Amino acid sequence: DAGVIQSPRHEVTEMGQEVTLRCKPISGHNSLFWYRQTMMRGLELLIYFNNNVPIDDSGMPEDRFSAKMPNASFSTLKIQPSEPRDSAVYFCASSLGNRGNEQFFGPGTRLTVL
Amino acid sequence: DAKTTQPTSMDCAEGRAANLPCNHSTISGNEYVYWYRQIHSQGPQYIIHGLKNNETNEMASLIITEDRKSSTLILPHATLRDTAVYYCIVRGFPNYGGSQGNLIFGKGTKLSVKP
Repeated sequence: DAGVIQSPRHEVTEMGQEVTLRCKPISGHNSLFWYRQTMMRGLELLIYFNNNVPIDDSGMPEDRFSAKMPNASFSTLKIQPSEPRDSAVYFCASSLGNRGNEQFFGPGTRLTVL
Repeated sequence: DAKTTQPTSMDCAEGRAANLPCNHSTISGNEYVYWYRQIHSQGPQYIIHGLKNNETNEMASLIITEDRKSSTLILPHATLRDTAVYYCIVRGFPNYGGSQGNLIFGKGTKLSVKP
């Protein structure tokens, strides 16, 4: 298995632009997670899906952030409009069963908002 | 907030055992201890988890004290590739709803394995 796939690996954009990050979980996994990592705040959970349904989005920082999971093999995290403080590494992870099980992380997307 | 306390950094000689401590004095009876690590520029990687018994897998051993207030992750023969930030996380085994059982990452311990 290729593991969790994220694209793009790097994204540089200007303030105010829309940014879409993509994630393909491991085939067969039914839980998907989006995390954000910064030097200041460390690694934070943004949102968690189970069977394509958002279960906990309490970590989503504000309305500029939205996440979707239209099917079991694809998820997006969108930021509109983007701001410089959104610059971070965004990780997607997936797991089999509920989130108590081992989470497999993707390589991350490094986002820079100028 | 993370429920654990870990040293900020540790060094270990290549080939020696690396013993990474973690304090979790407020752990409750249904909470597990998880360890993940993050090698530079990569996503976190699961290592091991346990409830109260010691656990061992191909990567590491987890020793949990009898009162469950602290634990130690042991890498028996550290290699240069084990250089990473190691996160000790306490979490309940979650239901599907709500935030119970989310992985909450603290600062971790930066382990440097030296030749």
